Amino acid sequence: IVMTQSPATLSVSPGERATLSCRASESVSGNLGWYQQRPGQAPRLLIYGTSTRATGIPARFSGSGSGTEFTLTISSLQSDDFAVYYCHQYKTWPPGTFGQGTKVEVK
Amino acid sequence: EVHLVESGGAVVQPGGSLRLSCAASGFSFDEYTLHWLRQAPGKGLEWVSLITRDGEYTSYGDSVRGRFTISRDSRKNSLYLQMNSLRSEDTAFYFCANEQSKFFESWGQGTLVTVSS
Repeated sequence: IVMTQSPATLSVSPGERATLSCRASESVSGNLGWYQQRPGQAPRLLIYGTSTRATGIPARFSGSGSGTEFTLTISSLQSDDFAVYYCHQYKTWPPGTFGQGTKVEVK
Repeated sequence: EVHLVESGGAVVQPGGSLRLSCAASGFSFDEYTLHWLRQAPGKGLEWVSLITRDGEYTSYGDSVRGRFTISRDSRKNSLYLQMNSLRSEDTAFYFCANEQSKFFESWGQGTLVTVSS
């Protein structure tokens, strides 16, 4: 299953909403997660099961979608949120497939 | 709190070998399947290998199968990756991660492997 994220780069001002998309080449049902990777850091689990926030993840992060179309929304961008975000399908496990990433940068 | 710390990254020549380690703490080591993933500088994430909690089952990505071997030692709460016949395309940050219901719950900070002459 190929995961395609868009856009490749998203320019957003602090405090604004960011909407990131992830499309699967075939249905992955709800088996979709999102990871955040800040510069120079390891990835961090944000969302699993399409919409469940991982422990400690702020409520401004939300996930939605089903089948082949998924969205990660950051309601009001904070300085810590400028990072690269990866979607990952785990319907075909192991190991699933990562998307190529969306970089959220300061506008 | 889950804590994963990788070590062993180095500069190695093509064809050489290297062994990575991942020290785990803060969780019940024997209860989790563990993974290695990697990321070439400036690139995306690539899964490398997994080992089940009892060590009985392992799996590898196509690009490393036959060259890399994953193992674990419950006495030392440690995960390992033996990498042989290294190639330039193996140059990457290597991360260990624990699995929770088919997603990667916690990650280490990574260790850099550079394959270059």
